[in-house]
Amino acid sequence: RKEVEQDPGPFNVPEGATVAFNCTYSNSASQSFFWYRQDCRKEPKLLMSVYSSGNEDGRFTAQLNRASQYISLLIRDSKLSDSATYLCVVSGNTPLVFGKGTRLSVIA
Amino acid sequence: NAGVTQTPKFQVLKTGQSMTLQCAQDMNHEYMSWYRQDPGMGLRLIHYSVGAGITDQGEVPNGYNVSRSTTEDFPLRLLSAAPSQTSVYFCASSPSARSSPLHFGNGTRLTVT
Repeated sequence: RKEVEQDPGPFNVPEGATVAFNCTYSNSASQSFFWYRQDCRKEPKLLMSVYSSGNEDGRFTAQLNRASQYISLLIRDSKLSDSATYLCVVSGNTPLVFGKGTRLSVIA
Repeated sequence: NAGVTQTPKFQVLKTGQSMTLQCAQDMNHEYMSWYRQDPGMGLRLIHYSVGAGITDQGEVPNGYNVSRSTTEDFPLRLLSAAPSQTSVYFCASSPSARSSPLHFGNGTRLTVT
């Protein structure tokens, strides 16, 4: 089993839709979790950290389920500008491990 | 507020040539790392450093060397470039290796012919 797995997508959703991504991880000792956003041909940028109790930042909500070893990202009221690749990041046996990303396209 | 600075932004090499990708950060971060990103492969860790004088190998270290003589700088050396090293390279830093999010440089796009 890979350390961090994500559905590669693409997820094609209309503007205003709600979309959710899941990410599973294999290391039960992982303590730190993040979601990054990467635009085409750009560097990844931190979207939000993921806390045990779940956390929200505007239209974005992140959840952690330690028992099932997954984290999720929910985007409400999708905007065209949300189109990007979303990377799940988990602390592992080596420093932070990145998933391959889930591609989101928001369509007008 | 520079953050993480990578140079050059673009580079074309011939097979067998050597070069150094530069990475500098001005945030006094102890942890620095190099990733390569290829289509369909995601970000793969090449080498990392948890502090000056300390380096370690990541997932794909072959063909690359690093050193960390100062907190600020973490250069990546390609000893003898191969077409398989054509990729986008990102340098990243953070206050700690596992508990803090990474700050990325803008990337270096390398083509080896």
